[in-house]
Amino acid sequence: EAGVAQSPRYKIIEKRQSVAFWCNPISGHATLYWYQQILGQGPKLLIQFQNNGVVDDSQLPKDRFSAERLKGVDSTLKIQPAKLEDSAVYLCASSLIAGVTDTQYFGPGTRLTVL
Amino acid sequence: GESVGLHLPTLSVQEGDNSIINCAYSNSASDYFIWYKQESGKGPQFIIDIRSNMDKRQGQRVTVLLNKTVKHLSLQIAATQPGDSAVYFCAENKGGKLIFGQGTELSVKP
Repeated sequence: EAGVAQSPRYKIIEKRQSVAFWCNPISGHATLYWYQQILGQGPKLLIQFQNNGVVDDSQLPKDRFSAERLKGVDSTLKIQPAKLEDSAVYLCASSLIAGVTDTQYFGPGTRLTVL
Repeated sequence: GESVGLHLPTLSVQEGDNSIINCAYSNSASDYFIWYKQESGKGPQFIIDIRSNMDKRQGQRVTVLLNKTVKHLSLQIAATQPGDSAVYFCAENKGGKLIFGQGTELSVKP
């Protein structure tokens, strides 16, 4: 079974530029998550999708971050404009449903460096 | 703020010894916890989980213990191997939303 795919793996940009990350979840997984992991910390949830609808985006800085999952499969996360503090690894995860005990499977992440 | 935390940021053990990684949580209503392993350059990988109606759960070389009285859980790794070197996170699942602690980095000395 193929895992969660993410691209690019690395991205370096200057502050105030924009950037986009792509995620393809495990086939058949209805729920998709984007996490931000700052160096030395645990991942923090940014947004959760159930199919193509947003379930939770309470932690997403909506003035600069946006995400979509138009067809309920793959998803993109965008930052515009980027700030220095956005430097982090952006992880995508998926699960079959969104139940309490449903395992979330993570992709390898995109490491973003903002200069 | 975060509701889960870890006691130590780093742990170094000799190959073949047992490892114990600890985690404290603050929400007494939490009923489901997960341990993840994250190797360098990779995403977190599920290791084992436990529900609050259990005190102990065993997997392959790993055991999770839950003490609800003191709101503490631990991950025990038997016969630690070099491949176990990674950062270990405990996470609390709140209605499908994972809340991670900061992680403990486990180093295995040959």
